Amino acid sequence: GAVVSQHPSRVICKSGTSVKIECRSLDFQATTMFWYRQFPKQSLMLMATSNEGSKATYEQGVEKDKFLINHASLTLSTLTVTSAHPEDSSFYICSALLWTSTDTQYFGPGTRLTVL
Amino acid sequence: QQQVKQSPQSLIVQKGGISIINCAYENTAFDYFPWYQQFPGKGPALLIAIRPDVSEKKEGRFTISFNKSAKQFSLHIMDSQPGDSATYFCAAEETSGSRLTFGEGTQLTVNP
Repeated sequence: GAVVSQHPSRVICKSGTSVKIECRSLDFQATTMFWYRQFPKQSLMLMATSNEGSKATYEQGVEKDKFLINHASLTLSTLTVTSAHPEDSSFYICSALLWTSTDTQYFGPGTRLTVL
Repeated sequence: QQQVKQSPQSLIVQKGGISIINCAYENTAFDYFPWYQQFPGKGPALLIAIRPDVSEKKEGRFTISFNKSAKQFSLHIMDSQPGDSATYFCAAEETSGSRLTFGEGTQLTVNP
């Protein structure tokens, strides 16, 4: 159980275009999902916390108008990178919070974004 | 600052050996400490986790040792295998369901 999927796994886009990444909890409902960014050989950097039915909470330094997050259902959160530029190229990973006695975050497989 | 310091940055062990990765924290409000394993190009996968009310937790070949007074915790991988070669992240969470603070990661290589 506790499977989280992401789509697409890889995406290449041209500079100036927008890209949408989906994060789904497949076998549980997730009121809270998180979006991370990871550069090569570095740790995960939290970008924002997404709560179903409300606005996302962004970390300091993350542009909310550039990284649009929508959490419209208990199993789906989306991250849209608007007007992408080469510096937005990165590995984007989502996680979904499973509320049990341990309240564990389960991570998706990640999405590799390359902006040309 | 809510930081978690992880060491070593990289670790090479022989097959069958013990891999030990250490983490230290400052924030005494942290109350949940998971370890994640990440393979290249994949998302992190939960390995094992512990709360401060116990000093050790073991699941198969993986053991977490927790020292509350020293604010340190460590991951021990017994009988390390080449398939364990991955990057390991420790993390800490302050309150239930809140954000995770990750360590810098340890790249483990297990030689056959």
